[in-house]
Amino acid sequence: RKEVEQDPGPFNVPEGATVAFNCTYSNSASQSFFWYRQDCRKEPKLLMSVYSSGNEDGRFTAQLNRASQYISLLIRDSKLSDSATYLCVVNMKGSGNTGKLIFGQGTTLQVKP
Amino acid sequence: NAGVTQTPKFRVLKTGQSMTLLCAQDMNHEYMYWYRQDPGMGLRLIHYSVGEGTTAKGEVPDGYNVSRLKKQNFLLGLESAAPSQTSVYFCASSRRINEQFFGPGTRLTVL
Repeated sequence: RKEVEQDPGPFNVPEGATVAFNCTYSNSASQSFFWYRQDCRKEPKLLMSVYSSGNEDGRFTAQLNRASQYISLLIRDSKLSDSATYLCVVNMKGSGNTGKLIFGQGTTLQVKP
Repeated sequence: NAGVTQTPKFRVLKTGQSMTLLCAQDMNHEYMYWYRQDPGMGLRLIHYSVGEGTTAKGEVPDGYNVSRLKKQNFLLGLESAAPSQTSVYFCASSRRINEQFFGPGTRLTVL
């Protein structure tokens, strides 16, 4: 079983739609959670961190469910510019606090006009 | 600030050739990482460094070596390239366990 699992998609949605992605992680000791965005043939960039209480940044809402070991990303009022691959990322704190991140394979979103 | 830069951007090697990928960051970050990204596999950690002069193995270290002689630079070496090492290589840096900043990537093809 992969440590971080995502539905690769693609998710094809019309502009203005609301879309949600889920991600599950296997290690219950995971401490930090993030969503990164990666545009085609570009490097990943941090979209938002995910906090236990849930957090919102404009049209984006991230939530964490530790009991079920999943995190989610909700995008409201989708824009064409939201088309990208969204990477679920988990920090597995090990000995020495190395800051290593485990990346999911990503979920591809295509927003259509 | 340039952030994280990688050299070269593209490279084609023949099986058995060697090469070094250079990563440089100007953010004074302690931590640096090398990843490879393959279709359907996501980003996988090759090696990482928690400070100047220290390196450690990641998830897929075989066939690669690294060095961190200066805090701002992290080198990834392929001693004898194999077709299985065809991939996109990303370098990243971070201040401890905070956000990782990625370089633009190096696209390597091994024939």
